[in-house]
Amino acid sequence: DTGVSQNPRHKITKRGQNVTFRCDPISEHNRLYWYRQTLGQGPEFLTYFQNEAQLEKSRLLSDRFSAERPKGSFSTLEIQRTEQGDSAMYLCASSSDGLAGLSEQFFGPGTRLTVL
Amino acid sequence: GQQVMQIPQYQHVQEGEDFTTYCNSSTTLSNIQWYKQRPGGHPVFLIQLVKSGEVKKQKRLTFQFGEAKKNSSLHITATQTTDVGTYFCAGPNSGYALNFGKGTSLLVTP
Repeated sequence: DTGVSQNPRHKITKRGQNVTFRCDPISEHNRLYWYRQTLGQGPEFLTYFQNEAQLEKSRLLSDRFSAERPKGSFSTLEIQRTEQGDSAMYLCASSSDGLAGLSEQFFGPGTRLTVL
Repeated sequence: GQQVMQIPQYQHVQEGEDFTTYCNSSTTLSNIQWYKQRPGGHPVFLIQLVKSGEVKKQKRLTFQFGEAKKNSSLHITATQTTDVGTYFCAGPNSGYALNFGKGTSLLVTP
């Protein structure tokens, strides 16, 4: 399977614990995005990488959230001191360079986080 | 900031009926993308519209981009049960990421 993969698929944690998610994008894609989706809502943008550079972060991304893409391939998203409000599906997407700068994004299956 | 709004939030149709969802932006969009998310699944790209007044068709699906590039629509002719899911429009934010609408959830009963 050459699509976007995410691990773990599900994570249950207690409030105050730290969690880390991993995303493996499609290999030739240089752009990688993290989104968060809650029930009944569309995906909300969190952050974006062009190769290894984190070029954009949403105001939604508090100081407890950090993301890395150390070699321009896989990416990790860490949430420190989790809160119940962090419970959501965390989606990763990747894309190549496209016309007018925007191209189709390929989404992974997501990591569902439940904070107790 | 730029917001993308979709209506209706839900639509329940009988199989064979038509369906339309509308997307409106508070600002002019350079382009707009549409995605479909099946229940329990992840968003899957359907199409991107770039030109003012553009109309694109994919079998029973017709996508339109408004002349002012502030609105868009998706029309499905003769719905099938396989069309069930949530349809999202998304416009670019200040960079290359997307601002998604809340989506329209389509339920099709046989």
